[in-house]
Amino acid sequence: AAGVIQSPRHLIKEKRETATLKCYPIPRHDTVYWYQQGPGQDPQFLISFYEKMQSDKGSIPDRFSAQQFSDYHSELNMSSLELGDSALYFCASGQALDTQYFGPGTRLTVL
Amino acid sequence: AQKVTQAQTEISVVEKEDVTLDCVYETRDTTYYLFWYKQPPSGELVFLIRRNSFDEQNEISGRYSWNFQKSTSSFNFTITASQVVDSAVYFCALSEILDYGGSQGNLIFGKGTKLSVKP
Repeated sequence: AAGVIQSPRHLIKEKRETATLKCYPIPRHDTVYWYQQGPGQDPQFLISFYEKMQSDKGSIPDRFSAQQFSDYHSELNMSSLELGDSALYFCASGQALDTQYFGPGTRLTVL
Repeated sequence: AQKVTQAQTEISVVEKEDVTLDCVYETRDTTYYLFWYKQPPSGELVFLIRRNSFDEQNEISGRYSWNFQKSTSSFNFTITASQVVDSAVYFCALSEILDYGGSQGNLIFGKGTKLSVKP
């Protein structure tokens, strides 16, 4: 069965640089969620999209933005990176009341 | 506000022991979902189970079983005859059901319980 695809899997950036993370949801899933998991922490909800429209917003910094495209893939754009942005970033997808399925995550390291 | 509490930060057991991971939740919603996810050292989040708030039936899947008690707002997870491969961080999570599109809201996770199973 197809799973959620995230790219890249690993990313190393310098402070103040920008990063773009990509997420390809499971086919026919209409909702995409982004989560951030700091070291030793639980995943924290950032933002979600339903049918390409932003549906909910969590603790997403103003330096971050995201969108969902016509083919349903989503991108998380992160600017002016800080050391504290180093984390595992998960994308999850779901359809209606179906379970959220998580991608493998992108590990971002900011030096 | 919604909240999930996993009071056990770390648990260490010896292989073949049974172990129960506790989860207590708070929500004002009458309809919600409860979940358990496993996060092995490799980092991915593996879905284990989802429970609808209307369904209080306990569930068993192999060595795993779940006990959902609405009266005590608890959704506990038991591993029977634990194995080394069960070593991971286990997260309990809660989500509401959104009005629009009948879709699921974001997940609110507990802090996780790190389970170590020693041979």
